[in-house]
Amino acid sequence: AQSVTQLGSHVSVSEGALVLLRCNYSSSVPPYLFWYVQYPNQGLQLLLKYTSAATLVKGINGFEAEFKKSETSFHLTKPSAHMSDAAEYFCAVRNAGNMLTFGGGTRLMVKP
Amino acid sequence: DTAVSQTPKYLVTQMGNDKSIKCEQNLGHDTMYWYKQDSKKFLKIMFSYNNKELIINETVPNRFSPKSPDKAHLNLHINSLELGDSAVYFCASSPTSGSSYNEQFFGPGTRLTVL
Repeated sequence: AQSVTQLGSHVSVSEGALVLLRCNYSSSVPPYLFWYVQYPNQGLQLLLKYTSAATLVKGINGFEAEFKKSETSFHLTKPSAHMSDAAEYFCAVRNAGNMLTFGGGTRLMVKP
Repeated sequence: DTAVSQTPKYLVTQMGNDKSIKCEQNLGHDTMYWYKQDSKKFLKIMFSYNNKELIINETVPNRFSPKSPDKAHLNLHINSLELGDSAVYFCASSPTSGSSYNEQFFGPGTRLTVL
C-alpha cells in the first residue's frame, strides 16, 4: 500500500514569510497525491491535487506544490503567509478503492 | 447548498450503547467514505462504498458497519461503543468521472464522545 509522511507536526512562520510544509510519499506505482486543509472544528477542504499531469500544481488560496519523483516528495508552499492560513494541513495519497491514506498532519501557526 | 452533510454534529453516549451517524450528499457522487480522526488529528479510512462494492479497512472492528439506503446516503452504525471509539468521524464522497474525479468532498464531521 502507498503511504505519505509529513515531516514536522508543527510549523510556525511569521506573517508574510514563506510557508513550506513537507510531504514524502512511498509508492510502487505513479501516485495520486493531495493536500487538504482543516480549519478548527471544520471538515477537510481540498487545496490541490497531483494526478500525473504537470509536476507543479497550483491550488486555492495561493498554495502550490511540486511533485518530485527523484525525491519522492510533494511539498506544499506559499510565498507569503497570512494569518488566515493558520490551520492543520494534511498530505494524502490515493490507494485501492479510491481511498485516501493521510499523513499525520502539520499544524501551521502564523505569528503577527 | 450542494454539500456533504452529517448528523448529529456532536454525540455523547455511554459505553456499551449502539449509535448511528447519518451522512448525506447531494453532489450526485457514486462513492462515499467514512474516516475516523483521533485526538491526535490522525485520519484513517474506515470504509469505501459504492453501489457495487464495499471496501473495509481491515483494522476496523466489526462493531462498525456502514449502511446505505440509497446512493446519496451512507450511515455509520456502531454497536457496543467503547471508550476508544471517541473521535471525530468524517463522511466524504467522490465522483467516478468528470473533472473532479479523484477528489473527495468532506462533511463537517461528527464528534463522538463515549463516557
